[in-house]
Amino acid sequence: GAGVSQSPSNKVTEKGKDVELRCDPISGHTALYWYRQSLGQGLEFLIYFQGNSAPDKSGLPSDRFSAERTGGSVSTLTIQRTQQEDSAVYLCASSLTGTGGPGYTFGSGTRLTVV
Amino acid sequence: GDSVTQMEGPVTLSEEAFLTINCTYTATGYPSLFWYVQYPGEGLQLLLKATKADDKGSNKGFEATYRKETTSFHLEKGSVQVSDSAVYFCALTGGGSQGNLIFGKGTKLSVKP
Repeated sequence: GAGVSQSPSNKVTEKGKDVELRCDPISGHTALYWYRQSLGQGLEFLIYFQGNSAPDKSGLPSDRFSAERTGGSVSTLTIQRTQQEDSAVYLCASSLTGTGGPGYTFGSGTRLTVV
Repeated sequence: GDSVTQMEGPVTLSEEAFLTINCTYTATGYPSLFWYVQYPGEGLQLLLKATKADDKGSNKGFEATYRKETTSFHLEKGSVQVSDSAVYFCALTGGGSQGNLIFGKGTKLSVKP
């Protein structure tokens, strides 16, 4: 597509439930990133996929967080047993080569609210 | 590790005022530096960038100069407009292979008519 598409745009879930957030990157972009934007905390790197390489999971805050990227395209970020502190906007970005920021395109994000 | 520190907001200015948003960084190697902007209800957009020392990035009347000696990348605009109201993020990407961006916490700018 023309841009990075994320769904849903808003998600309200009960504490303890699992959620899945989807990112559809720009066609042909080999690199895909997930970030979390919390109020007053800026953007926090979560995970990075580059082609068929093993993902860089160094930013995931706990083992309740996981992500997959199927076929080098669509990615799903899963949060298990959600907690209130997971409430944030989850942003996905893709880039052509993954070697630097200039090629990043961000999606509009998924606003997750855990009640 | 690498980090970015930017001035805390919110910043409230009148239209046509001069804007400076300070940004300093800590990094190993030679990072590339960026300013991203997030308008209300929209996603992050790249505003400008600089990839080496003394480079000046510019776009939409905004400018920032990569100052290696002071490890700074301050954002400036000579005359702000109401439409510039947004959250501004300073960011860097270092020399690692990941290319992931490290962001500051963001500065909210409100411009009043």
